Amino acid sequence: EPEVTQTPSHQVTQMGQEVILRCVPISNHLYFYWYRQILGQKVEFLVSFYNNEISEKSEIFDDQFSVERPDGSNFTLKIRSTKLEDSAMYFCASSGAGVRNEQFFGPGTRLTVL
Amino acid sequence: EDQVTQSPEALRLQEGESSSLNCSYTVSGLRGLFWYRQDPGKGPEFLFTLYSAGEEKEKERLKATLTKKESFLHITAPKPEDSATYLCAVLSTDSWGKLQFGAGTQVVVTP
Repeated sequence: EPEVTQTPSHQVTQMGQEVILRCVPISNHLYFYWYRQILGQKVEFLVSFYNNEISEKSEIFDDQFSVERPDGSNFTLKIRSTKLEDSAMYFCASSGAGVRNEQFFGPGTRLTVL
Repeated sequence: EDQVTQSPEALRLQEGESSSLNCSYTVSGLRGLFWYRQDPGKGPEFLFTLYSAGEEKEKERLKATLTKKESFLHITAPKPEDSATYLCAVLSTDSWGKLQFGAGTQVVVTP
């Protein structure tokens, strides 16, 4: 069964460093998303991406964040200058044609900022 | 402002003891309501989508229902492997794909 994959599973970084989180969405999906979940809190939407551009973003997704689809399979989230409060699980998701379609989530990347 | 509230926060069940989880929502217009299961340290696993009041979906021991104000996830004769956090999320008609999640209900099923 097709699934969303994410790498790395765990990333440790120093405050102020740049990190890139990688995702391979389900192959025939067209819509891509990033969410995050701070320990013990709700899953929060960051950004949605379609046709090589951002469709929607939340207030959390400020100038330190960016997304890219560098090739036909990968979808990345870059955090330019990490802060302690960026420590969280980051989930990538993808969905097929039509915004009412179900979003399928990856296993997540645990980001720890020291 | 859109809101999603799940209750109870936690539920402890004996194996075979059926129960229901509640998800109350406030949105300007509902495009869809989604149920996910999340195991510790893992990503949400899709269970159901409900689109309109009166709709019901079923999968093994789980059944989801939807009204204009809330959704219920019924767990019938649960087994220990049903232990997980169950998340409810709504997609508003104002959005292109932003799921708004509730805090979840943590379910523990003991043998």
